Amino acid sequence: AQSVTQLGSHVSVSEGALVLLRCNYSSSVPPYLFWYVQYPNQGLQLLLKYTSAATLVKGINGFEAEFKKSETSFHLTKPSAHMSDAAEYFCAVSPVGGGSQGNLIFGKGTKLSVKP
Amino acid sequence: SQTIHQWPATLVQPVGSPLSLECTVEGTSNPNLYWYRQAAGRGLQLLFYSVGIGQISSEVPQNLSASRPQDRQFILSSKKLLLSDSGFYLCAWSRYTNTGELFFGEGSRLTVL
Repeated sequence: AQSVTQLGSHVSVSEGALVLLRCNYSSSVPPYLFWYVQYPNQGLQLLLKYTSAATLVKGINGFEAEFKKSETSFHLTKPSAHMSDAAEYFCAVSPVGGGSQGNLIFGKGTKLSVKP
Repeated sequence: SQTIHQWPATLVQPVGSPLSLECTVEGTSNPNLYWYRQAAGRGLQLLFYSVGIGQISSEVPQNLSASRPQDRQFILSSKKLLLSDSGFYLCAWSRYTNTGELFFGEGSRLTVL
C-alpha cells in the first residue's frame, strides 16, 4: 500500500531563509506526487505536482520540489521564505494513472512558521 | 473554468441536531467528488467519495452520510451530531482517470457544542 511521511509537524524559519519541507513516499511503482498548501480556515491549494515528466518541478509562489526515486523523496523547497508562506503544507501521493477514484493519500502536514 | 463551492462556511450546532453541508462544482461534468474532514492534529481523513450520481463509497464508519442527487452536487449529512463530529470539512473534486489531482472547496467549519 502507498503511504506518505512528512518529517516534522512544525518547521520554523526566518524570513529570507531557505525553506525545506520533507516528504518521503512508499510505493511499489513510481507514483504521482503533489504538494498542497493550506492557509488558516481555507481549503487546500495545489502548489505543484510530479507526473513522471521532469524530476524537478516548479510550482507557484516560488516553490519547487525534486522527485528522487532512489531516496523515495519529494522534498519541497523555496530559496527565500516570505512571511506570506506561513501555512500548513501537505504532501500527497496518487496511484499511477489516478485510478477510477483518483484518491490521494495525504501526509499529516507540516506547519511552516516564518519569523521576521 | 471549473469552480467548487461549499456552504455554509461556519456552523455551530448542538449535540443531537442534524447536519447538512452542501458542495457544488461548476464548469465540468461527471466529476469524482469527495468529502474530507480535518480534526485538530489528525491530518486529512477521507470520509466519502462518489464516481457518479447515487454512487457513494464510505471510507470510515460513522454517523455521517453522503448523497449525490445531481451530477455536480454532493451533500454531507447527519441525523444526530456528536461532539466528535466537530472539525473542518472539505469538499473536493477530480477528473475521472487523471493524475489524481484534487481541487478543494473553501471548507466548512463545524463546531458541535
